[in-house]
Amino acid sequence: EIVLTQSPGTLSLSPGEGATLSCRASQNIASSYLAWYQQKPGQAPRLLIYGASYRATGIPDRFSGSRSGTDFSLTISRLEPEDFAVYYCQQYESSPYSFGQGTKLEIK
Amino acid sequence: QVQLQQSGPGLVKPSQTLSLTCAISGDSVSTNSAAWNWIRQSPSRGLEWLGRTYFQSKWYTDYAESVKSRVTINPDTSKNQFSLHLNSVSPEDTAVYYCARGWGSGWYLGYWGQGTLVTVSS
Repeated sequence: EIVLTQSPGTLSLSPGEGATLSCRASQNIASSYLAWYQQKPGQAPRLLIYGASYRATGIPDRFSGSRSGTDFSLTISRLEPEDFAVYYCQQYESSPYSFGQGTKLEIK
Repeated sequence: QVQLQQSGPGLVKPSQTLSLTCAISGDSVSTNSAAWNWIRQSPSRGLEWLGRTYFQSKWYTDYAESVKSRVTINPDTSKNQFSLHLNSVSPEDTAVYYCARGWGSGWYLGYWGQGTLVTVSS
């Protein structure tokens, strides 16, 4: 089973700043089948990035994803007020299709 | 536009079976280009993928080992929906349950249902 470890647990930043969220996989994800989701209170997760670096339809270009080996990153270039939420990574290469524990992005 | 509408009871007694349905609009449960998933979320377990069903010349299912002995996911082609059945539930199964469509290369989860809070309690 692939375990995904996200860091930091909480990130406190101000609107306009940039954010980098990390997700480390316990094994190689050869296909780059890694997605990022945003979740706001009371809502279902929303797909942001798939295939490690492809933005989903309708996602602003301030969101970007990248990969270096077993380390994956989600970067938000200029935080907008609506970006403060919890972010999850998920691998969909091998069953069970596991999620990270989440990073809470909060307003400083 | 794909929409997933969940339905089912919000309260289930211990040892009984949890049953939820996800009605699909804008796509077909029988398509060979998507997979139909169930995921749950709780404070103690986070987001947990439970299983999926998909059609590729025949029907397939794929379950997480953690629930494999207790779970069934069934397609219903006549109603264009799919269901989750989780038997022998305990309070540890209390969670928000989501259905989601897996699509594209690898089947990432692009569309989600609204979520259903299911509480297991007597």
